Parts: sequence; C-alpha cells; structure tokens
Amino acid sequence: GNSVTQMEGPVTLSEEAFLTINCTYTATGYPSLFWYVQYPGEGLQLLLKATKADDKGSNKGFEATYRKETTSFHLEKGSVQVSDSAVYFCALRAQGAQKLVFGQGTRLTINP
Amino acid sequence: DAGVIQSPRHEVTEMGQEVTLRCKPISGHDYLFWYRQTMMRGLELLIYFNNNVPIDDSGMPEDRFSAKMPNASFSTLKIQPSEPRDSAVYFCASSFGLAVYNEQFFGPGTRLTVL
Repeated sequence: GNSVTQMEGPVTLSEEAFLTINCTYTATGYPSLFWYVQYPGEGLQLLLKATKADDKGSNKGFEATYRKETTSFHLEKGSVQVSDSAVYFCALRAQGAQKLVFGQGTRLTINP
Repeated sequence: DAGVIQSPRHEVTEMGQEVTLRCKPISGHDYLFWYRQTMMRGLELLIYFNNNVPIDDSGMPEDRFSAKMPNASFSTLKIQPSEPRDSAVYFCASSFGLAVYNEQFFGPGTRLTVL
C-alpha cells in the first residue's frame, strides 16, 4: 500500500540554522506530494506541493524537490526562525485518488 | 471566507456518553474529510464525502462511529457510546474538485477527552 516515512523528531535547532526534514514514500504510479505544517493549537496548513518528478515546491523560504529515483521529498530551509516552530507532515496522494496519506509528523523547535 | 469551521473546539465527556462533532466546510467545496490525530497513530483518515455522499469509510474504527452529511454545508461525526481510547483531536477538511493537486483546507480541530 501507499505510505510515507518521515525522520523522527523532535528536532531542535538554533535560529538561522539550516533545516532538513527527510521524507520518503512508497506508492505506485505518480503520486502528488505535499508538506503540511501544524502550528500549536491549529489545524494543518498546506506549506508546499509537487505533482511530478523533479518539480520543486517552495513557500515561505521552504523548499522540497520531488525525487522519483530516490522516492523522496525532503523539506529544507536555509535559515530557520523561531516562528517556524511547528509540526511538519509529509503526505502523498496517489494518482487518481482523493485520500491523503500522511507521515507521522516531525516536531520542530527553533530556539532564539 | 471563514475557512472550515468545527465545533466544539474542546469536548470532555464520560465513558458511555454520546459525542457529536460538527463541521461546516468552505462554501463551494464538494469534498469533505474527517481525520483523527493521536500520538500513537498519527493522522488517520476516517471517512470522506463527495457531494454529500460517503465515498470511503474504511477508516472508521468501528460501529460506534458514524458520520453524516445532510447538506453541502454541514457534517457530523458521532461516537456512541464513547470510550477513553477515542480521546484524540478530530479534524475536518474540505476541498474542491478533482484537480491532481487540489488543496485540502483543515479546520482547527476538536479536542475530545473521554474520561
């Protein structure tokens, strides 16, 4: 079946550090890939997305590239801020499907 | 638009009681999803509707759970009777159309505690 695996958290970094959160997936065909972010006490918000191989999604300084050869969609940011502290979810939607399959989430804390 | 609206935001109840969670999707959206989030199992899809019709309820844990969507602007998730293991945050989400990358918009969630 389809599945998403994220690096385990929690992740704690200092402000202005470089961030990578690893995400790999298992799916048949060509899924769409997503990163969602959940701030404390809120629902999930779409952060970025990519729909085909080699697409790069980007938003708010975050980037992720759809790598079909390694079945990965790692999230990166060059310089994190305290306001980036949140839980980050990698997700996929299989080709032709409506359901999102989420990873387990990675809690990120940025210290000033 | 106000976004996806869920009520109540917090619910504390005793084991055996009936619990009803409510959701108002974004106007014009034709898909509605119910998710459950727990520390142990992460984020799980329970059921989703298209044009008010349940399409996939394979994630509904057992017969104690039921969901309805009587019209395009309202859905309920009911648990009867509730059990302590149902304690979780329940999210409703909505989206529009079949576009390959159409975004699901999430509500703020209902935190349910069953004592």
